[in-house]
Amino acid sequence: GQQLNQSPQSMFIQEGEDVSMNCTSSSIFNTWLWYKQDPGEGPVLLIALYKAGELTSNGRLTAQFGITRKDSFLNISASIPSDVGIYFCAGQLYSGAGSYQLTFGKGTKLSVIP
Amino acid sequence: DVKVTQSSRYLVKRTGEKVFLECVQDMDHENMFWYRQDPGLGLRLIYFSYDVKMKEKGDIPEGYSVSREKKERFSLILESASTNQTSMYLCASSLLGGGETQYFGPGTRLLVL
Repeated sequence: GQQLNQSPQSMFIQEGEDVSMNCTSSSIFNTWLWYKQDPGEGPVLLIALYKAGELTSNGRLTAQFGITRKDSFLNISASIPSDVGIYFCAGQLYSGAGSYQLTFGKGTKLSVIP
Repeated sequence: DVKVTQSSRYLVKRTGEKVFLECVQDMDHENMFWYRQDPGLGLRLIYFSYDVKMKEKGDIPEGYSVSREKKERFSLILESASTNQTSMYLCASSLLGGGETQYFGPGTRLLVL
């Protein structure tokens, strides 16, 4: 099946710094999604990208769907302590069975030092 | 807002017990999914369903079964729990159609002793 490489695996940053993480794939995806998971909770959708080249913002978060459709990045500007958590990328590809399966990256664990 | 609920946040079971994990969504979504999440392995798809009474195996279906008797409810069953099934279990749902995203429940943390 498809593989998603997400990097970095973990980051320690100072409050106020900008953060960048990315995902690359050997396969083409139709949709890229970015989720955040707080400890002990389920992932929450942050940004969804549907077209190659698309750049979308959600507050301090910005994500882009790579032109090759094989990569995506997520930037967080001016980080704050509540940004702590695990960020997952996910690629969505029509499976031909009437459903849309997601392939997930392994996550980037973000720690913010006040 | 989409709401996906899971019957238990924490569960402790013994090896060999039959375990039911329930998931309910209130947005009339066609698709429902069960994942398990383990450190270093990310989220792995166990089973999914795109319609009532329909089910498809995911990447790691062994040791699990599912039931979708009603559109809003998708159950994951561990027929005979084993210690290697200790994990965080996440349910998700999505609309059938192009590009619809998956919405997750809060998760059930299962410990099998």
